[in-house]
Amino acid sequence: GDSVTQMEGPVTLSEEAFLTINCTYTATGYPSLFWYVQYPGEGLQLLLKATKADDKGSNKGFEATYRKETTSFHLEKGSVQVSDSAVYFCALSDLSGYNKLIFGAGTRLAVHP
Amino acid sequence: GAGVSQTPSNKVTEKGKYVELRCDPISGHTALYWYRQSLGQGPEFLIYFQGTGAADDSGLPNDRFFAVRPEGSVSTLKIQRTERGDSAVYLCASSLMDSTDTQYFGPGTRLTVL
Repeated sequence: GDSVTQMEGPVTLSEEAFLTINCTYTATGYPSLFWYVQYPGEGLQLLLKATKADDKGSNKGFEATYRKETTSFHLEKGSVQVSDSAVYFCALSDLSGYNKLIFGAGTRLAVHP
Repeated sequence: GAGVSQTPSNKVTEKGKYVELRCDPISGHTALYWYRQSLGQGPEFLIYFQGTGAADDSGLPNDRFFAVRPEGSVSTLKIQRTERGDSAVYLCASSLMDSTDTQYFGPGTRLTVL
């Protein structure tokens, strides 16, 4: 079945460092891909998404490109801030027509001043 | 506007008891999803409603779990004869329709079964 694999955390960075969180997926067909973020004490929020190959999703300085050839959707940010500390989830929507999401295990990011 | 709300935020119960978890979706959203998030894991799909009907309940782990959405708005997830393994955060999400619309998540209900 469809699945998502993302790099294990925690990822610890200093402020203004470059961030990459790897995400690869397995799916039959070409699902939509998402990054969700969960800040401490808050619910899941959509960070960005891409619906077809070579699309780039971007928001709040974060970017991810839908790579069909490598079945990847890596999250990047050029300069992280302390406020980016959160848990990041990569997800795909299955192609059943019901748009149910399949999530990776999450990657915790801690950014220090 | 108001987001997805879930009540209670925390629920502690004893093994074998019955619990109900409530979800109020965003007004006008016809699609509603329940997910379960165990500690250190990503959310896992449980059930999907389009309107009043459960279009896909393939994620419900067993027949102790049941969910309803009688008027196409509020949904209730019901768990009978709770077990310690049911302890998790139960998340609800809604979207405008079921196609590629963004799902908006509630804050979740943390269920602890003692």
